[in-house]
Amino acid sequence: KAGVTQTPRYLIKTRGQQVTLSCSPISGHRSVSWYQQTPGQGLQFLFEYFSETQRNKGNFPGRFSGRQFSNSRSEMNVSTLELGDSALYLCASRVTAGGIQETQYFGPGTRLLVL
Amino acid sequence: DQQVKQNSPSLSVQEGRISILNCDYTNSMFDYFLWYKKYPAEGPTFLISISSIKDKNEDGRFTVFLNKSAKHLSLHIVPSQPGDSAVYFCAAVLRWLDDKIIFGKGTRLHILP
Repeated sequence: KAGVTQTPRYLIKTRGQQVTLSCSPISGHRSVSWYQQTPGQGLQFLFEYFSETQRNKGNFPGRFSGRQFSNSRSEMNVSTLELGDSALYLCASRVTAGGIQETQYFGPGTRLLVL
Repeated sequence: DQQVKQNSPSLSVQEGRISILNCDYTNSMFDYFLWYKKYPAEGPTFLISISSIKDKNEDGRFTVFLNKSAKHLSLHIVPSQPGDSAVYFCAAVLRWLDDKIIFGKGTRLHILP
C-alpha cells in the first residue's frame, strides 16, 4: 500500500506570494491533518479535514487555509507569505477522524522557503 | 504558551546504554500521550503511547512512564542502538474534548558508537 505523498517536496517563494501544497492520503484514509514544523516551535497542528469538512483547527492566522476533495486528497494554501512561514509542512492521514492517534501516518513533508 | 515541553533539544548516549527522553506538560486534562520518532527527510512515525489511566507502557526496547502528579512523562530506550538516532517528539491529546494533538519541540537523540 502506498504511503502518504506530498507535492512538491521543496518550494521557494518570495514574501507576499501565495503557495498551495498538496497531500494524497493512504488509500482508504478519509482524514487528513496538516502540521507545520519549525526549529523554534516544533510540530504545530494546523487543521484536520474529514469528509471534505474542516473538523479541527489550530491557532494559525487566516492566511492558512485548506480544503479536502471528494477523493480525500487535500490541499493547503498560504497567502501573503511571510519569512516566518518558512517551515516543513507535514500532512498526515488516518482512516477516520477521532479515535486513537496511533493510526495517523505522516508524509515526508514539503519544505517551504520564503525569501 | 507551550503546553508540551521537551526541555532538552539534544541528547547523546553511548550505544548499548539507556536513553531517557523527558517531556513535561502543563494541562492536567490531557488524557493520552504519544511519542513519535522522526528521521531526516521523512515524516514522524508513531512509536509508543500511554493513556492517562496508566503509569507505564512497554513495547520491546521502548518504555514510556507517566507521572501525572508531576505532569511528566519519559521515554526509555534500552539498549540504545545506532538506528535510534533521530528526533523524538512527545505529544499530548485531549481526547474527550477535541482530539487535537499537541506536540513538543522535539529532542534530537545521538547514539554514539
